[in-house]
Amino acid sequence: EVQLVESGGGLVQPGGSLRLSCAASGFTFSVHYMDWVRQAPGKGLEWLGRTKTKTNSYTTEYAASVRGRFTISRDDSKNSVYLQMNSLKSEDTALYYCVREGNSFDYWGQGTLVTVSS
Amino acid sequence: DIQMTQSPSTLSASVGDRVTITCRASQSLSSWLSWYQQKPGKAPKLLIYKASSLESGVPFRFSGSGSETEFTLTISSLQPDDFAIYYCQQYYTSSPTFGQGTKVEIK
Repeated sequence: EVQLVESGGGLVQPGGSLRLSCAASGFTFSVHYMDWVRQAPGKGLEWLGRTKTKTNSYTTEYAASVRGRFTISRDDSKNSVYLQMNSLKSEDTALYYCVREGNSFDYWGQGTLVTVSS
Repeated sequence: DIQMTQSPSTLSASVGDRVTITCRASQSLSSWLSWYQQKPGKAPKLLIYKASSLESGVPFRFSGSGSETEFTLTISSLQPDDFAIYYCQQYYTSSPTFGQGTKVEIK
């Protein structure tokens, strides 16, 4: 069974940093692109970025709204993907989902909540 | 970025109704479009990919059609479990974008 479990969310002050983790199991992690998507309270879905595979040089791509502040990385030996978030703003408050790319975005974690507030 | 516009924003329907949701893209996507269902407090669930391909395990009452800039999601006979928010998503470009969502509620 495919499982994606996010962790690392919490309350952080504006300007602060946070690192989210996503532990994957139940599939061959190393062959899949992995993405992060967020959802602000009561709002829609926003794609943040992805990390490609070793075959694709672990290339990362980002949405314009977070480029330069957020960094995605992966560790295939640990079946994990990470989202480093810096210079956080109140508008970054959201539920952050880890997502597998297969047939489109075919598996989602349950999300981890990030609240940016003083 | 490609803009995705769904209509309607809210849809009131009864069990057994045929329901259609439309998604329009600001530029051609070929068939690189997906549909997701999200229930309260849950992660989105993939229903349809590549415009018309049914994800494994998704009931056959769900179907997708369209290409280029106009797409539809149809539920042939609405069931109680189908009341939810539905999102379309383009993945034609390297920067995927979602529609704003369509809430299907009980009439």
